[in-house]
Amino acid sequence: GAVVSQHPSRVICKSGTSVKIECRSLDFQATTMFWYRQFPKQSLMLMATSNEGSKATYEQGVEKDKFLINHASLTLSTLTVTSAHPEDSSFYICSARRPAKANNEQFFGPGTRLTVL
Amino acid sequence: KQEVTQIPAALSVPEGENLVLNCSFTDSAIYNLQWFRQDPGKGLTSLLLIQSSQREQTSGRLNASLDKSSGRSTLYIAASQPGDSATYLCAVRLSGNTPLVFGKGTRLSVIA
Repeated sequence: GAVVSQHPSRVICKSGTSVKIECRSLDFQATTMFWYRQFPKQSLMLMATSNEGSKATYEQGVEKDKFLINHASLTLSTLTVTSAHPEDSSFYICSARRPAKANNEQFFGPGTRLTVL
Repeated sequence: KQEVTQIPAALSVPEGENLVLNCSFTDSAIYNLQWFRQDPGKGLTSLLLIQSSQREQTSGRLNASLDKSSGRSTLYIAASQPGDSATYLCAVRLSGNTPLVFGKGTRLSVIA
């Protein structure tokens, strides 16, 4: 299957700082990427849909000014958590949609564990 | 809004047993349904993907069925092993352009 990478895999930061998470599709071009968040023992909740070259679409209740998404190329989307607070501590997982081939299947990155102190 | 429910939330079985995990979804007009496995603190591993026109998919000891009209899917695991212990997530898509919507998962423990 297709490969999606995320970096970093784990990050610990102080409250008030900003953290950038990168999501890359390594062997295909992804016009659409999705960002999910998963709290402990909960399921994956969609945060936003990222489309290359345009603004991201955020789900209800997700602050677009706090979670900045940039999809500047067909293989890279970034999520920046601005002014992070302890309640932002979570597991963030990105997913890239492979169009046409493989029935538009979504391929998932390995996730980024964010801990805000 | 599509909602996905998984029952049971947790399941513990002795090694060797066959088991069934259940998934239901509120909007039956789905594009496809996918089962994933997630180990603690890890990302997702795709197990089986069923297109809306299909009734089932099989991979090794795993068999997933889909009954779109009733909004249900089951994941059957044969001859369970301790290595099968993980959380199993069911997710559906309404179209090729929309994202997967996930259930809360079933935490499976297979006891040796």
